[in-house]
Amino acid sequence: GAVVSQHPSRVICKSGTSVKIECRSLDFQATTMFWYRQFPKKSLMLMATSNEGSKATYEQGVEKDKFLINHASLTLSTLTVTSAHPEDSSFYICSARTGAQNSPLHFGNGTRLTVT
Amino acid sequence: AQKVTQAQTEISVVEKEDVTLDCVYETRDTTYYLFWYKQPPSGELVFLIRRNSFDEQNEISGRYSWNFQKSTSSFNFTITASQVVDSAVYFCAPNTGNQFYFGTGTSLTVIP
Repeated sequence: GAVVSQHPSRVICKSGTSVKIECRSLDFQATTMFWYRQFPKKSLMLMATSNEGSKATYEQGVEKDKFLINHASLTLSTLTVTSAHPEDSSFYICSARTGAQNSPLHFGNGTRLTVT
Repeated sequence: AQKVTQAQTEISVVEKEDVTLDCVYETRDTTYYLFWYKQPPSGELVFLIRRNSFDEQNEISGRYSWNFQKSTSSFNFTITASQVVDSAVYFCAPNTGNQFYFGTGTSLTVIP
């Protein structure tokens, strides 16, 4: 089956530093990847949609300069949280699909970010 | 963005009871797809089912069944003879084009 690997699973960083989260599709090519953020006991909030080789499309209210997304290849997308603050602490989840509208999303296991 | 309503925030049932999770969505599109996902306490999201808007035939898969009614924009999910391992948050997610939005989720607790 389609496997999405997300790394790291947990990260603790200090305020002001940047953190990079990687999302890899291991056994398929992901033309589209999605980045979500989830607060405790809340739903998944779509942050941005990225297509390989083009700029990410950010949802309204998501700061693109703070959450840098790069989708340089068909198997790798990265999310960099720049100048992290405690309010950026959250659970970040990436997902990927091959491109067909009816194909399900395959999710990574998420990254728990804690900013101290 | 589409609107997805999962009115039941939290549900608790006793093991072996049946439970139905409701999902109502709003969309202007005539062609779309509907998904259900499960998120157990460990955090990963598990794909359960996909349905396209042209197919209103209900589906049963083991203890799971789905009732899709396009006329009322509802896509409900029933677990029969619930088990403790079914305890999780369940998300309904309609999908059109390149957008994939999730409902607010229903937290299901199955009590042994």
